[in-house]
Amino acid sequence: DSGVTQTPKHLITATGQRVTLRCSPRSGDLSVYWYQQSLDQGLQFLIHYYNGEERAKGNILERFSAQQFPDLHSELNLSSLELGDSALYFCASSVVGAGTDTQYFGPGTRLTVL
Amino acid sequence: AQKITQTQPGMFVQEKEAVTLDCTYDTSDPSYGLFWYKQPSSGEMIFLIYQGSYDQQNATEGRYSLNFQKARKSANLVISASQLGDSAMYFCAMREGRWGGADGLTFGKGTHLIIQP
Repeated sequence: DSGVTQTPKHLITATGQRVTLRCSPRSGDLSVYWYQQSLDQGLQFLIHYYNGEERAKGNILERFSAQQFPDLHSELNLSSLELGDSALYFCASSVVGAGTDTQYFGPGTRLTVL
Repeated sequence: AQKITQTQPGMFVQEKEAVTLDCTYDTSDPSYGLFWYKQPSSGEMIFLIYQGSYDQQNATEGRYSLNFQKARKSANLVISASQLGDSAMYFCAMREGRWGGADGLTFGKGTHLIIQP
């Protein structure tokens, strides 16, 4: 158990809908990262938040957004969902977000868009 | 160009043998970190081992060691005395920048390791 929690574990929804994925980092970690794992794209970095502020964006679509709250939990919002958004979404946390920090991953949320 | 290359899509290994999983990387940043993660069929990503670009010695964590050859830009994972529970996908990943880098990890495509009894 990495100490990072994600809810829900599974999510099934329809095209055009909007969903919110939730992540709680390990106790003491200030940085939260979101990743998408799909069969065709592999594991891709989406976005990084540090202590409530956005630090870096990766291959995140404009339909997707995220935020980190004062209690450090984070939410990833996916809207106008398409079939291709079906994937495993991970969040990871690290202490401060430095290059040497180890990122510990949550169990993931499996999103299926029908 | 791919930043992380894992050339072995799949490997079959006999139980108790040592395994080497290959990883080469590409960066012009002198400061970077290399990570290996294990993803069993249940789907979670498990951190195994980390090597920093300035580390003088190869990293070790229990049965895992990292064969770091900086000049060749390779960071191979070695698993000693493999066990059935080692069967999983293994991902090599890199993060560039020591303190200024805020980007996430860049992952390779992974190696599917199957340990046979």
